[in-house]
Amino acid sequence: ELKVEQNPLFLSMQEGKNYTIYCNYSTTSDRLYWYRQDPGKSLESLFVLLSNGAVKQEGRLMASLDTKARLSTLHITAAVHDLSATYFCAVDISRAGNQFYFGTGTSLTVIP
Amino acid sequence: ETGVTQTPRHLVMGMTNKKSLKCEQHLGHNAMYWYKQSAKKPLELMFVYSLEERVENNSVPSRFSPECPNSSHLFLHLHTLQPEDSALYLCASSQAAGYEQYFGPGTRLTVT
Repeated sequence: ELKVEQNPLFLSMQEGKNYTIYCNYSTTSDRLYWYRQDPGKSLESLFVLLSNGAVKQEGRLMASLDTKARLSTLHITAAVHDLSATYFCAVDISRAGNQFYFGTGTSLTVIP
Repeated sequence: ETGVTQTPRHLVMGMTNKKSLKCEQHLGHNAMYWYKQSAKKPLELMFVYSLEERVENNSVPSRFSPECPNSSHLFLHLHTLQPEDSALYLCASSQAAGYEQYFGPGTRLTVT
């Protein structure tokens, strides 16, 4: 059974600080996605990583993928309160779209 | 309307009721998905439709019955649900199966 594990599950950080969220998965895949979910809202796509070594950046967030290590990271630089949300990674192990597995999510709170 | 819409946004139903959830996408996509999001559990992929054909995936109880009459609409028919089926049901669509998914706002379902 595929496992997608994120850590930490809960993260409280001060504004201006840097931190990294980790996403480990247990089977081969070269397609990994990061999503953001605000309380009571739906999921918003942040990054699509489609190859080993892929790195994408948007504002204060940067995501990377190491398919050999089966690891993706979401790095937060100089956090601001607006980044408070739950962040999910998701792994696609079938091009048919029927094997799409989400991590448990990381709940991020940025404290002023 | 733009993006992915879902109706109703909230639904309370008894265990003997029959109801349907509706999803509509306005993105010209060819694949649509149903997910279940329960508290403290990862999002679970329930059903996938690609070009209006259902792609088999993880087993889902027969009390959930999907229908995809065309590439823009997706329904989830519910009957004789259990209290543990209470959750947020999210619809998503993608350009094709296995591509980046765009999510709707979800239907918050409560089974009493």
